[in-house]
Amino acid sequence: DQQVKQNSPSLSVQEGRISILNCDYTNSMFDYFLWYKKYPAEGPTFLISISSIKDKNEDGRFTVFLNKSAKHLSLHIVPSQPGDSAVYFCAATSSMTTDSWGKLQFGAGTQVVVTP
Amino acid sequence: GAVVSQHPSWVICKSGTSVKIECRSLDFQATTMFWYRQFPKQSLMLMATSNEGSKATYEQGVEKDKFLINHASLTLSTLTVTSAHPEDSSFYICSARAGANSYEQYFGPGTRLTVT
Repeated sequence: DQQVKQNSPSLSVQEGRISILNCDYTNSMFDYFLWYKKYPAEGPTFLISISSIKDKNEDGRFTVFLNKSAKHLSLHIVPSQPGDSAVYFCAATSSMTTDSWGKLQFGAGTQVVVTP
Repeated sequence: GAVVSQHPSWVICKSGTSVKIECRSLDFQATTMFWYRQFPKQSLMLMATSNEGSKATYEQGVEKDKFLINHASLTLSTLTVTSAHPEDSSFYICSARAGANSYEQYFGPGTRLTVT
């Protein structure tokens, strides 16, 4: 079963505007969340992460928000740039057990297209 | 930043042959490496966890005798697809974790395997 879900397969946004990507999870044991960016035929590139003790983390144009009660997180990119066009994956892991620690569960990804 | 390389970047092989894919951490030592596969327009699926000096642990449904993993040093893990079949054609990606306490993974660029 898919424990991390990205329900929007694609998102189109104008350059300069805000991109908002959403991610939901079902496993309450997840306590670290990461966002990756991926271009075709390349490996994912780490963007930003957040632990469950926080509800917001910001790094430059990227901000991740976490709502634990709703089991929901979002990535905001502002302002969006043409180079941001890529697939964005949400991932989660749990520190609860040594077996689960560091193993990432990925969402299906959201294709972002930033138009001029 | 942490760099992970993979070799080869793409390979075509005949059905029944074996293919070895290398994953190297270039500027850090990786006690743990992970192997993923990605089908077109789908998420990354974790195949196995590779720990230096010990046997790999495989996710449910992954045949360990078919996907042989060796993590002989702190900078190199290899995945060998034995007796490859067309259904093994996929994009294989490795990642490396710098330390046991780290949840962040750095991904290689991926290897495109096509079995004819």
